[in-house]
Amino acid sequence: EAQVTQNPRYLITVTGKKLTVTCSQNMNHEYMSWYRQDPGLGLRQIYYSMNVEVTDKGDVPEGYKVSRKEKRNFPLILESPSPNQTSLYFCASSYGTSSGYGYTFGSGTRLTVV
Amino acid sequence: SQQGEEDPQALSIQEGENATMNCSYKTSINNLQWYRQNSGRGLVHLILIRSNEREKHSGRLRVTLDTSKKSSSLLITASRAADTASYFCAISYSGAGSYQLTFGKGTKLSVIP
Repeated sequence: EAQVTQNPRYLITVTGKKLTVTCSQNMNHEYMSWYRQDPGLGLRQIYYSMNVEVTDKGDVPEGYKVSRKEKRNFPLILESPSPNQTSLYFCASSYGTSSGYGYTFGSGTRLTVV
Repeated sequence: SQQGEEDPQALSIQEGENATMNCSYKTSINNLQWYRQNSGRGLVHLILIRSNEREKHSGRLRVTLDTSKKSSSLLITASRAADTASYFCAISYSGAGSYQLTFGKGTKLSVIP
């Protein structure tokens, strides 16, 4: 089944404790992206990657890191999480919208930083 | 911000009625897409309409695009309780590259059985 898999689904952590949220897609998509979703603010892009070893900042990159060493994986790293990073996070992938395809989203990771 | 703006923010209708939600944007686009999100779940792609298209259909969904007014609408006909969800427009802006999408804040649709 074509899908984007995120792990974990839920995570509670303490301020300053490094964490990684994994994202993997099995559709050979070139493009992958991370979003965070907060009430009243919609989805905001954190980072994106157009191919292996190519990443770029989105609208809200502060406090996050990403890497794209393999085409299928795009982990999101929070080196020193803070409470304002409590949010619902989504990974998405795509062939590219000019191809006529939309994004495929993961099921989300609900992160709470205390 | 180049977010699309959905209208209304919330909509409540009876099962069997039609639901219409709108999206407005500010600059030239490559295409516009609509997504559905069930509570707390991942977004699901519904339909994509290109800038040179005016209308597209998919099952009970009809999307229109008016580039002169910089607006789009999503019509769900004969709504069902299972259509209860949030609906987002997402815009691929001209010059932003073929991958980039900017999402609006969504319309929350409630279909009452």
